[in-house]
Amino acid sequence: EDLLVESGGALVQAGRSLRLSCAASGFNFDDYAMHWVRQLPGKGLEWVSGISWNSKRIDYADSVKGRFTISRDNAKNSVILQMNSLRSEDTGLYFCTRDMRGGGLSMIFGPWGPGTLVTVSS
Amino acid sequence: DIQMTQSPSSLSASVGDRVTISCRASQNIGRYLNWYQQKAGKAPKLLIFVASSLQSGVPSRFSGSGSGTDFTLTISSLQPEDFATYYCQQSHTSPMCSFGQGTKVEIK
Repeated sequence: EDLLVESGGALVQAGRSLRLSCAASGFNFDDYAMHWVRQLPGKGLEWVSGISWNSKRIDYADSVKGRFTISRDNAKNSVILQMNSLRSEDTGLYFCTRDMRGGGLSMIFGPWGPGTLVTVSS
Repeated sequence: DIQMTQSPSSLSASVGDRVTISCRASQNIGRYLNWYQQKAGKAPKLLIFVASSLQSGVPSRFSGSGSGTDFTLTISSLQPEDFATYYCQQSHTSPMCSFGQGTKVEIK
């Protein structure tokens, strides 16, 4: 079974940093691109960032560009989201999700983790 | 940026009803349209990709149609486990993408 589990969410003050992790199992991790998608309180879904299987292609939503950094460790089956200069509008539930169509960024999201909650206080 | 607009925002239906949810893109996205189901407190789940392809394991009562700017998700006979919020998402502008605001399906 494809399994994704996020960790690292916390309550943090505006301007500080937070590091989210996603542990993957049940599939060949280095065959797939990975993404972070967030859900703002009471609102819909927003794609945050994606990374190809070999880390050669990385992209970010405009709202987080320059503040967030995505990376992956294929040896450890994990993907990281380093979030710096956090703002109150970054508050939300952060999901790790696997690209459905392999190593590139097709932007079709297959398995999802349960999410980890980030709360940024101003 | 491509805007995705779903209608209605919410609907009430009974078990066994046929339910239709619409999604409109602000510009032509071909067939790069996906549908997700999200139950309360859970992560989204992929139902339909590239407009009409059923994800493995998803019941056949779910179907998708459309192309260009207008798309539809249909549940042919609503079941108790289908009460949830449904989101459309365009993947035409990869690596960017955008989601609709969601349609909440509630019990009548």
